[in-house]
Amino acid sequence: DGGITQSPKYLFRKEGQNVTLSCEQNLNHDAMYWYRQDPGQGLRLIYYSQIVNDFQKGDIAEGYSVSREKKESFPLTVTSAQKNPTAFYLCASRSAGLRQPQHFGDGTRLSIL
Amino acid sequence: GQQVMQIPQYQHVQEGEDFTTYCNSSTTLSNIQWYKQRPGGHPVFLIQLVKSGEVKKQKRLTFQFGEAKKNSSLHITATQTTDVGTYFCADNAGNNRKLIWGLGTSLAVNP
Repeated sequence: DGGITQSPKYLFRKEGQNVTLSCEQNLNHDAMYWYRQDPGQGLRLIYYSQIVNDFQKGDIAEGYSVSREKKESFPLTVTSAQKNPTAFYLCASRSAGLRQPQHFGDGTRLSIL
Repeated sequence: GQQVMQIPQYQHVQEGEDFTTYCNSSTTLSNIQWYKQRPGGHPVFLIQLVKSGEVKKQKRLTFQFGEAKKNSSLHITATQTTDVGTYFCADNAGNNRKLIWGLGTSLAVNP
């Protein structure tokens, strides 16, 4: 069954610690995206990638890093430089055709210990 | 940069009442995608509007794209408790690389 898998579902970070959120898709989609969602807020774009080994900053990239070494994988690292990381993180993917919709994973909830 | 405004931010209705959320932009929208996010869930694609004046229906949901392509609306007829969630509009920006999202309208339905 095709889809996007995010793990873990819940994650706790200690002060000064880097944590990595996993996003894997088996939809053969070219583009992948990371969003942050705060309570009652919309979706804010962190990073996106249109193709393997290439990615672009979104609107709130500071304190985050990504890699795109494989088409199916787009992990997000929340670094210690991100001072307010508590949020719901959503990964999405989209095929390359014009006007294609985005498909989302179930998300990861990150909290500070 | 381009912004997509969505109103209202919240809406409470009694089951059976109608509901409408509006998506507006000061610039011309490329094409609008609508998503629904259930509480605790992830956004799910509902529909896409491309042409000026376009109207599409999905059962009790009616989606419209303005003639000037500067606004769009989602109307739900006779709401049900299963309609609860946040409805987002997003413009598929001209470069086709990322979506410009509205902040969403959260719908609560009292049974």
